[in-house]
Amino acid sequence: EAGVTQFPSHSVIEKGQTVTLRCDPISGHDNLYWYRRVMGKEIKFLLHFVKESKQDESGMPNNRFLAERTGGTYSTLKVQPAELEDSGVYFCASSLGQGFHEQFFGPGTRLTVL
Amino acid sequence: QQQVKQSPQSLIVQKGGISIINCAYENTAFDYFPWYQQFPGKGPALLIAIRPDVSEKKEGRFTISFNKSAKQFSLHIMDSQPGDSATYFCAASRSEYSSASKIIFGSGTRLSIRP
Repeated sequence: EAGVTQFPSHSVIEKGQTVTLRCDPISGHDNLYWYRRVMGKEIKFLLHFVKESKQDESGMPNNRFLAERTGGTYSTLKVQPAELEDSGVYFCASSLGQGFHEQFFGPGTRLTVL
Repeated sequence: QQQVKQSPQSLIVQKGGISIINCAYENTAFDYFPWYQQFPGKGPALLIAIRPDVSEKKEGRFTISFNKSAKQFSLHIMDSQPGDSATYFCAASRSEYSSASKIIFGSGTRLSIRP
């Protein structure tokens, strides 16, 4: 069974540009999470989808970040316009439906904003 | 404000030695404490987890020790091997059985096992 996949693996953009990250969760997982690790610090929660609905977006840093999960399958995270402090590794994770389940993480997208 | 504090930032251990990573948390509402292992180019993967109703959990060479009154927990890796070289994250979560919950991570420990 395929794990969580993320695309691209690396992205280098200039300040002010737009970048869209994609996450494909494990098939059948209703819960999808986005996390970010900046410069060797802790991995921080960004938001949580249950199917196509945003359950918790308390970790989104500002309105330059937009996450979507149309149809409750894959998700995209768009940063527009990108700033230097947005650089980091963006992880996606997914887990099964109701109840507490293990979150499975993708390999991450390393974003560098110059 | 960091809710889960982890130390040390990096650790070098000789092969066969014991690796110890420590964490402390603030929020007494946390009731699930997982440890994640991350290899370069991979995402974090669940290694072992504990709930606060037990003081210790052991799985093979990996042991979590939990001190609820001190709000501290630690990971011990016995007989450390070069293949254990990775970044380790402690974490905490409020497991609500009606819905899945976000994970609060520590800052990570880069462990290197010398042959």
